[in-house]
Amino acid sequence: SQKIEQNSEALNIQEGKTATLTCNYTNYSPAYLQWYRQDPGRGPVFLLLIRENEKEKRKERLKVTFDTTLKQSLFHITASQPADSATYLCAIYSMDTGRRALTFGSGTRLQVQP
Amino acid sequence: DADVTQTPRNRITKTGKRIMLECSQTKGHDRMYWYRQDPGLGLRLIYYSFDVKDINKGEISDGYSVSRQAQAKFSLSLESAIPNQTALYFCATSDPSGGYNEQFFGPGTRLTVL
Repeated sequence: SQKIEQNSEALNIQEGKTATLTCNYTNYSPAYLQWYRQDPGRGPVFLLLIRENEKEKRKERLKVTFDTTLKQSLFHITASQPADSATYLCAIYSMDTGRRALTFGSGTRLQVQP
Repeated sequence: DADVTQTPRNRITKTGKRIMLECSQTKGHDRMYWYRQDPGLGLRLIYYSFDVKDINKGEISDGYSVSRQAQAKFSLSLESAIPNQTALYFCATSDPSGGYNEQFFGPGTRLTVL
């Protein structure tokens, strides 16, 4: 069966450190993968997209890697700040689903301690 | 003004009642989506529409119906609400022409079915 797995346990880190979040997938051939940020009680907000033929993307303090052999994407926030505390969702676009739409993981909550 | 709006923001109803959730957007996007979010399960796609004549089922369409009244409006109906439809519902829009196909989410509707 198809699965997208994100660590359900919250990630707690100290301010200034690098946060690394993982998105693993099974039985998908993603055309691209996206990362979103969601604050409590609000809709997700798009952060980054990485395509199947790309290894790495950066945007300011954010970096995403994509390894189609390991079937994994890593999302990094460098020099983390308490304001980065939120839930981060990965989403895959793959025609394997039979739908022309994203499939979301359940998200990982990040807590940055001052 | 918000680009994607949802009404109502909160709704409490009883089992068996018919409920309509409405979504409007001013982004001019052709593509619109309805998701539900449950704790620990992430976002699950209910229906999506690529234009007013194109309606598609998502992962969990049973018990739901939709109407795309215009490019800017996409409504979700629960014909006979049941308690396990208690969830946070999000509408989203996207425009793939920019290459990213990022989704823009509304603020959500919290629905409680008693």
